[in-house]
Amino acid sequence: AQKITQTQPGMFVQEKEAVTLDCTYDTSDPSYGLFWYKQPSSGEMIFLIYQGSYDQQNATEGRYSLNFQKARKSANLVISASQLGDSAMYFCAMRELYGNNRLAFGKGNQVVVIP
Amino acid sequence: DTAVSQTPKYLVTQMGNDKSIKCEQNLGHDTMYWYKQDSKKFLKIMFSYNNKELIINETVPNRFSPKSPDKAHLNLHINSLELGDSAVYFCASSRTGTVETQYFGPGTRLLVL
Repeated sequence: AQKITQTQPGMFVQEKEAVTLDCTYDTSDPSYGLFWYKQPSSGEMIFLIYQGSYDQQNATEGRYSLNFQKARKSANLVISASQLGDSAMYFCAMRELYGNNRLAFGKGNQVVVIP
Repeated sequence: DTAVSQTPKYLVTQMGNDKSIKCEQNLGHDTMYWYKQDSKKFLKIMFSYNNKELIINETVPNRFSPKSPDKAHLNLHINSLELGDSAVYFCASSRTGTVETQYFGPGTRLLVL
C-alpha cells in the first residue's frame, strides 16, 4: 500500500509568490517523522524540513514551513516568496520508528518558478 | 567536508559488465542505505545496513550485492549489468532508533548500454 501520496501535477509559480505542495501519508505507527526533500535538475537530494509526529508546532526552516495536520494525515510544504532557484522536484517522505528506518517516498511534485 | 560522498558520479558501461559504487559518510551515523531512482523519478529503498549488518533487503535481484566494511562505508556491487539497471543510485545515512533525517549522497548516474 502506498504510504505517501503526492498527486499534484507539475506547477508553475510566479516568482515571489507562495506555493503549497500537498502530501498525505498513511501509517499506524504512533511515532514517525515526515520529511521534504528538494531535487534540482542537478540531481542531488537536499533535505529541507522535518516534522516529528509528536511535535506540537509546525516546523519552519527559513522560507519553508510544514503545515502538519495530524488528524488528516497531511504534511503540506509551503514555500514562501518563491525564487527561481526553487525550481525543482519536491519529495515528501515518511520514516516510521518501527519501520526498519526506511524512508518511504512520494512520487514528487515538479515546481517551476517563472520570473 | 562532504557528509555523504559517492563515487563515481557517472558510470557508463556495457551490458554484462560488473561494476561497483562506493559510498562513505563522515556524520558518525550507524545506518546506511542504498536507494534507486528510476526514470520516472520514483525513489525506492534497496538495502539498509546498521553497524555492518544487513537490515533491509528489498526485492532486488541477487546481482546486486551490498558490502559494508565498516559503519562509515557501504558499497554496492552489481554483477552482469542489464539495461534495466540504468538509474540513479543514492546512498544515504542516518542514526538508528530515531526518526531523524536521512542525508543523501550526490547520486551515481548509471547508464547501461
